[in-house]
Amino acid sequence: DQQVKQNSPSLSVQEGRISILNCDYTNSMFDYFLWYKKYPAEGPTFLISISSIKDKNEDGRFTVFLNKSAKHLSLHIVPSQPGDSAVYFCAAKWGDSGGSNYKLTFGKGTLLTVNP
Amino acid sequence: DAGVIQSPRHEVTEMGQEVTLRCKPISGHNSLFWYRQTMMRGLELLIYFNNNVPIDDSGMPEDRFSAKMPNASFSTLKIQPSEPRDSAVYFCASSLGQGIGAQYFGPGTRLTVT
Repeated sequence: DQQVKQNSPSLSVQEGRISILNCDYTNSMFDYFLWYKKYPAEGPTFLISISSIKDKNEDGRFTVFLNKSAKHLSLHIVPSQPGDSAVYFCAAKWGDSGGSNYKLTFGKGTLLTVNP
Repeated sequence: DAGVIQSPRHEVTEMGQEVTLRCKPISGHNSLFWYRQTMMRGLELLIYFNNNVPIDDSGMPEDRFSAKMPNASFSTLKIQPSEPRDSAVYFCASSLGQGIGAQYFGPGTRLTVT
């Protein structure tokens, strides 16, 4: 039972255009969401996060949008650059207090290719 | 600052052999996580330590897997005996605090069991 789903295994965009990576979740208890980027032969690198009390968080070219009613979040990269080509993982966790707030549940990732 | 360090980066072993993976977390981080990544199951949490104490090992697949954290700067994940289905990439990650912010991952160990 996948609680975090990234339904697009791959996405290809042109350099300079917008990349939109999508993520859906089923567990309404999730209250904190993260995006990680992973290059081949490296570990995932933290990119950006958002708390469930917000619907948008921006960091430079990266913006994450959260739609709690739809249990959906998306990562926008504008403008896309060839160096952004990587696998992007969506992750979620829940529990501001108590024992479960360490546990990240990951999606299976989306391979983004930005063509020059 | 050094990130999470894992060794070895690649390990090839024969079925039945013991395998030990090593991890040095980021200095000052008191939470450590071991993950396994496979094509079928993606990234799965195997075990979580907080202040060197195992808190959650519910993701450890079976008794052949064990993990230790003898001090704040070192952890091991051991598989004995190893099986071909253990072939995967194993990541170690660390974070500051139990639930604060993000987890920072090491480069991973690619394990192949033949």
